[in-house]
Amino acid sequence: DIQMTQTPSTLSASVGDRVTITCRASQSISSWLAWYQQKPGKAPKFLIYKASSLESGVPSRFSGSGSGTEFTLTISSLQPDDFATYYCQQYNTYPWTFGQGTKVEIK
Amino acid sequence: EVQLVESGGGLVQPGGSLRLSCAASGFTVSANYMSWVRQAPGKGLEWVSVLYSGGSTYYADSVKGRFTISRDNSKNTLHLQMDSLRAEDTAVYYCARGRPTDYWGQGTLVTVSS
Repeated sequence: DIQMTQTPSTLSASVGDRVTITCRASQSISSWLAWYQQKPGKAPKFLIYKASSLESGVPSRFSGSGSGTEFTLTISSLQPDDFATYYCQQYNTYPWTFGQGTKVEIK
Repeated sequence: EVQLVESGGGLVQPGGSLRLSCAASGFTVSANYMSWVRQAPGKGLEWVSVLYSGGSTYYADSVKGRFTISRDNSKNTLHLQMDSLRAEDTAVYYCARGRPTDYWGQGTLVTVSS
């Protein structure tokens, strides 16, 4: 199975900060990577697909980059609604696997 | 508008069975990849199974041989038959559409406990 490792596990930041989350795959997944945002008690929300394509309706402050084994999710200016847990997911090979999550907390 | 509504969760004893359903609206289940993803209490997301539009299925090793994904085209509904349930299957189960999964239901809680 492909292991997905996110860093950091927790991130403390302030409104307006630029935030970057890294996701590493244990083997190449080309660009078959998605990012999700999840708030407590809610279903995950789809943000980005194919590593860097923004889902319709997602604010442009979110961006993704990378290919192969190393990927990043960047929030250019953190907003109050962005405090949540973020997951990466590879959908190159079965079983699809998720990172362990990165919790973005208020500093 | 795309909507997914799960049902069928509840409390079941170890070794028991449960059948989850996911009623879809706003799109056709049989024309899409459809998945189940679960989340144990306080834990991260775990992909469980996928059903292709063509009928192919894939499962996580942790549920292979115990869970079966299927669909009812006449009711535009996805199902997950869960047999030989274990305590470690306790989780919120989400159904989701697509590859990757763009729309998710609100989830249904399955608790396996004696």
